[in-house]
Amino acid sequence: NAGVTQTPKFRVLKTGQSMTLLCAQDMNHEYMYWYRQDPGMGLRLIHYSVGEGTTAKGEVPDGYNVSRLKKQNFLLGLESAAPSQTSVYFCASSSSFRPNTGELFFGEGSRLTVL
Amino acid sequence: QKEVEQDPGPLSVPEGAIVSLNCTYSNSAFQYFMWYRQYSRKGPELLMYTYSSGNKEDGRFTAQVDKSSKYISLFIRDSQPSDSATYLCAMSGGLNAGGTSYGKLTFGQGTILTVHP
Repeated sequence: NAGVTQTPKFRVLKTGQSMTLLCAQDMNHEYMYWYRQDPGMGLRLIHYSVGEGTTAKGEVPDGYNVSRLKKQNFLLGLESAAPSQTSVYFCASSSSFRPNTGELFFGEGSRLTVL
Repeated sequence: QKEVEQDPGPLSVPEGAIVSLNCTYSNSAFQYFMWYRQYSRKGPELLMYTYSSGNKEDGRFTAQVDKSSKYISLFIRDSQPSDSATYLCAMSGGLNAGGTSYGKLTFGQGTILTVHP
């Protein structure tokens, strides 16, 4: 019972490098999200998707791009990494039947350090 | 000013104590209120949710919402060392005049709780 799986779990980048974080869910959820978690800031929404082929901006979208080519996958890309993007990134998914009850299912996080 | 404010703690209590965790918020459109628990180096897990004002109890946990004061609380009775974690409050506007919030949540900063034996 995998739930939400994030890869990679750890990554170190140099400023200016690019990378992609992959999120996969096996619960057939319509909605998927990318959050970042920083000390003292809580979780902040980067981008989200309400279905295959759709994406939308969240609270802190600058410097990130996303794609949802398949329902089960949600990719987060950093085109030119900056030290300010050092963070723990969480992917989450939720059912379209109860999107507003707060039942998000989170992955275990991807720790990114940008030097 | 953040939409949701939560005292980050850290909070340290002895086993068996009653723990009170709180959040305040400024957006009156919030209707759904959640508490998530996050163990170290893990993703958050939903602990409880309530809709609008009122209380909800689940075992040793009680969630309270006071919309008139824009204040929510989580009480943990007979706290255990296994309760040691970061507790995050979260809120959602739910269905509103602007459309569905699609489950988008606004989180507090999280309170780090340690329950020592």
